[in-house]
Amino acid sequence: DAKTTQPNSMESNEEEPVHLPCNHSTISGTDYIHWYRQLPSQGPEYVIHGLTSNVNNRMASLAIAEDRKSSTLILHRATLRDAAVYYCILRDYGNKLVFGAGTILRVKS
Amino acid sequence: EPEVTQTPSHQVTQMGQEVILRCVPISNHLYFYWYRQILGQKVEFLVSFYNNEISEKSEIFDDQFSVERPDGSNFTLKIRSTKLEDSAMYFCASSDPGQGAQSDGYTFGSGTRLTVV
Repeated sequence: DAKTTQPNSMESNEEEPVHLPCNHSTISGTDYIHWYRQLPSQGPEYVIHGLTSNVNNRMASLAIAEDRKSSTLILHRATLRDAAVYYCILRDYGNKLVFGAGTILRVKS
Repeated sequence: EPEVTQTPSHQVTQMGQEVILRCVPISNHLYFYWYRQILGQKVEFLVSFYNNEISEKSEIFDDQFSVERPDGSNFTLKIRSTKLEDSAMYFCASSDPGQGAQSDGYTFGSGTRLTVV
């Protein structure tokens, strides 16, 4: 499984945008970039995924570098409920998810 | 929004006892998974299940573990003889990659906290 590198933790102020980076320099052409998050005492939750183009959904936006070696998850206005561990995962279509340590996002009021 | 339901939410068992963790995946999903998370550690893959058989399993999923889809709705994880180190949160998930890569997301349940004493 191709590896991703994320900061251990980040902090944000409530109502401000948050940019969560992920490096994946060994990504292969068929790897999708997936983001999941895990709120305290809950199971992981799907956030967004993409292949080459930037993606938007109701939860977040995913910006993918042109060379695909990095990506950024964007939460447009962080709320206290967005405090969670965010996982960036490379996944070939149909294969299992493999979780790393993720980024702990703290949101300050 | 469709949910993956897991029961029980908490289970305490004596070492050496058998436990069965239950999951109801999303009804039109075809792939089912079990993951576990030991307190303070990563979420670890245990097993994936498709078309009534195991499609992949990890090194953790040894002979004491088994999975079953006994009817059209339930998906169970059995641990035959529990050990102290089996204490963890166990998460069930389901997905339907058959709908194409654009919908290739997992839906996880809220987990069962297993404590072996």
